[in-house]
Amino acid sequence: SAVISQKPSRDICQRGTSLTIQCQVDSQVTMMFWYRQQPGQSLTLIATANQGSEATYESGFVIDKFPISRPNLTFSTLTVSNMSPEDSSIYLCSVDGRGETEAFFGQGTRLTVV
Amino acid sequence: LAKTTQPISMDSYEGQEVNITCSHNNIATNDYITWYQQFPSQGPRFIIQGYKTKVTNEVASLFIPADRKSSTLSLPRVSLSDTAVYYCLVGGDGATNKLIFGTGTLLAVQP
Repeated sequence: SAVISQKPSRDICQRGTSLTIQCQVDSQVTMMFWYRQQPGQSLTLIATANQGSEATYESGFVIDKFPISRPNLTFSTLTVSNMSPEDSSIYLCSVDGRGETEAFFGQGTRLTVV
Repeated sequence: LAKTTQPISMDSYEGQEVNITCSHNNIATNDYITWYQQFPSQGPRFIIQGYKTKVTNEVASLFIPADRKSSTLSLPRVSLSDTAVYYCLVGGDGATNKLIFGTGTLLAVQP
C-alpha cells in the first residue's frame, strides 16, 4: 500500500497568481500522476510524472500552465499557473496503478480561484 | 485505451443488493478491470479488481463474463455509507499504467 499526503488541502487564490501543490508518498514509486476533478465531474488526467525526466502531459494540458516537478521517488509538485476561475477544481495526485494492482490517491487539493 | 460506459446514477435502499454494470467492448487481452469508490472530498479508493469470472472480497463481488466486454460490481446489503460515486476502469495503459476515468455511477442509498 501507499500513503499519500497532499498539501494544501484547500486554498482560495486570486486570479493571475500561481499555486504549487505538493504530493508526498511514504514509499518510493516510479510513476506519479496528477488529476483534475472539476465540480461534479469525473477525474481527468493532467500528466504523468517520472523521476528524472520531463512529465508527459495529456491532450489539453501544457507545461506552461501546469509545470510539474519530480525531484525524487517520493515527491512531486504540480503548479497551477496564472490562475483563472476556470481552474477552480480539485487536484489529486496518485501513485502507480499498474494493471494488476490498485492505485492510491491523495485526499486532493480543493482550489478556488476568485 | 478501452473506454467504459456505466449508468450515470442509481438509487437503492438500505439492505438491498446493488449491481452496477460497466461496458468495455474494446477491452484488450492483458487489461484488468478495476472498480474504485469515491466519497465527496476524498480521492478514489480501490474496491476490487478482476480479470475474468468472479472475484469476491470483504466489500464486493465482481462478475466478468467470458467475453470480458462487461463487468458487474455487486454490493451486498448496502448501507447509507455506501452512497458514493463508483468508477469502472480498464487497463492501465500498457506503456505508462495511467488510469483513465469514465463518468462513474453515483449510487444514492436511501433509508
